Amino acid sequence: GIQVEQSPPDLILQEGANSTLRCNFSDSVNNLQWFHQNPWGQLINLFYIPSGTKQNGRLSATTVATERYSLLYISSSQTTDSGVYFCAAANQAGTALIFGKGTTLSVSS
Amino acid sequence: DTGVSQDPRHKITKRGQNVTFRCDPISEHNRLYWYRQTLGQGPEFLTYFQNEAQLEKSRLLSDRFSAERPKGSFSTLEIQRTEQGDSAMYLCASSLVQATEAFFGQGTRLTVV
Repeated sequence: GIQVEQSPPDLILQEGANSTLRCNFSDSVNNLQWFHQNPWGQLINLFYIPSGTKQNGRLSATTVATERYSLLYISSSQTTDSGVYFCAAANQAGTALIFGKGTTLSVSS
Repeated sequence: DTGVSQDPRHKITKRGQNVTFRCDPISEHNRLYWYRQTLGQGPEFLTYFQNEAQLEKSRLLSDRFSAERPKGSFSTLEIQRTEQGDSAMYLCASSLVQATEAFFGQGTRLTVV
């Protein structure tokens, strides 16, 4: 099945800094999503982005499907951005989303 | 629509007992997925349904696990003879069809003592 790798595993930032999280996947995808997991464990949808670029406030995401990677950009980070960010993908013949191991982001004031 | 709903939110059980979790997907979503997440790991796929048909089961879904989705609406996940290794967050998700955005519930946190 499809493999999903995220980097870096951990990221520590000062408030106001920008960051880029990367997601590599091993196969063509027809679904790619970014999630933020809140402290209570719920996965919050950030982007549904199997290809192209999207922006939502301080967050944006780009997926280059032909090169099998996706990037999540966080600008002007805030302490509330702290948490675990997951990338998940499903391939062309696939079914369920397969998750990476996540990037743990810590933003300090 | 209030999104994907899971019940209970927390469950503590003694080793060897059976437990059952419920998931109510977003209405009109045909696909329903179950995942398990242990501490420090990403969610791992367990099984999924297309309407009432269970179409795929992960090798993680041992014989002690069973899932149903009668009438293609809510789903239940049962774990028989629970073991300490079953302690995890169990997440449910739904989507309209494959390759569309999936939405997750708040999860059921299981602790086996």
